[in-house]
Amino acid sequence: DSGVTQTPKHLITATGQRVTLRCSPRSGDLSVYWYQQSLDQGLQFLIQYYNGEERAKGNILERFSAQQFPDLHSELNLSSLELGDSALYFCASSVAVDRGRNTIYFGEGSWLTVV
Amino acid sequence: AQSVTQLGSHVSVSEGALVLLRCNYSSSVPPYLFWYVQYPNQGLQLLLKYTTGATLVKGINGFEAEFKKSETSFHLTKPSAHMSDAAEYFCAVSEGTGRRALTFGSGTRLQVQP
Repeated sequence: DSGVTQTPKHLITATGQRVTLRCSPRSGDLSVYWYQQSLDQGLQFLIQYYNGEERAKGNILERFSAQQFPDLHSELNLSSLELGDSALYFCASSVAVDRGRNTIYFGEGSWLTVV
Repeated sequence: AQSVTQLGSHVSVSEGALVLLRCNYSSSVPPYLFWYVQYPNQGLQLLLKYTTGATLVKGINGFEAEFKKSETSFHLTKPSAHMSDAAEYFCAVSEGTGRRALTFGSGTRLQVQP
């Protein structure tokens, strides 16, 4: 158990819908990352937050957004869903932004299926 | 820009045989390098990482990796494979002293035959 909690574990929704994925980082971790894992794209970095502020942006679509709340939990919002958005979405956390000194811990992911 | 190439999407070894998973990176500055393992229906777990200093890095479960700057490689090895090593392995890079987000390779699925 990494200590990173993601909900829901599985989600099936229809095209055009909107979903919210939730992540609780490890206790004490200030930095949260979101990754998307799909068969065709592999593991793609989406976005990073540090202590409530956006820190880095990766290959995140405009239909997707995220935020980190004062209690440090994070939500990833996916809207106008398309079939191609079906993937495993990982949340990860670390104490600080330096990946060298601070291990990044991954949650077990949220499986999203768009039908 | 940073990138990672993992040679071989599938590797199959016999139990007790040497495990060698290949990773080559591209980075404009000295990189931090990582190997993660993903067991079925689980998240990624850090196996080992190279930041600075000794180029041979030892990790969990008997794995180790060697950073070779001249070859831009960070191959993962284990002297003797165990059935429980069957999983998907990801190499990742973060340049800029680890301040950039991790860029992952496409992964290598390791099968261990009895």
